[in-house]
Amino acid sequence: NAGVTQTPKFRILKIGQSMTLQCTQDMNHNYMYWYRQDPGMGLKLIYYSVGAGITDKGEVPNGYNVSRSTTEDFPLRLELAAPSQTSVYFCASSPTGTSSRIGKNIQYFGAGTRLSVL
Amino acid sequence: ILNVEQSPQSLHVQEGDSTNFTCSFPSSNFYALHWYRWETAKSPEALFVMTLNGDEKKKGRISATLNTKEGYSYLYIKGSQPEDSATYLCASINAGNMLTFGGGTRLMVKP
Repeated sequence: NAGVTQTPKFRILKIGQSMTLQCTQDMNHNYMYWYRQDPGMGLKLIYYSVGAGITDKGEVPNGYNVSRSTTEDFPLRLELAAPSQTSVYFCASSPTGTSSRIGKNIQYFGAGTRLSVL
Repeated sequence: ILNVEQSPQSLHVQEGDSTNFTCSFPSSNFYALHWYRWETAKSPEALFVMTLNGDEKKKGRISATLNTKEGYSYLYIKGSQPEDSATYLCASINAGNMLTFGGGTRLMVKP
């Protein structure tokens, strides 16, 4: 059972380049999320999706775009990479969203993508 | 945007010591609190999900309590072992469907 799979694991970009971070899950989860982790800052939510065709901004969406054409896939796109986007990116999914009536739907994380923009 | 804070930021203990750390969160519009354990080079894994004031959860030597009225949760580790070394993250969820993480407490247990 693969769970949440992220690719690539590592990437170095030059300033101004673009790239797509891939995320796929095989648990048929409705909700998917993208976070970035900066040292000492915990995880910051970039974008999230409550289902195929629906996306919404999180706390730090600037410089990123997402799409959700299928339940399984939630790619994150960086159009013009900047040094401030150097971070570790985590994708996560949960069955029906974290504010379900009983609040028990935990997040399942991918292994992360370490991105450096130089 | 919620402001979730964890203290201390890092903690060094000897093997066998018991320890605890704190997560504080806004008590208004509270919905649920999650604790995650995050080992180096791995992804965060859920430890506990807590929703009710006074909740206590336990998993082996690790336990957590929740006070939603004053907005804090404690995580306790009894008899720390080197394999407990990790970053412990808490995250608060409000009715607006957003999960907000604290900065984490990095625990290092020396053998």
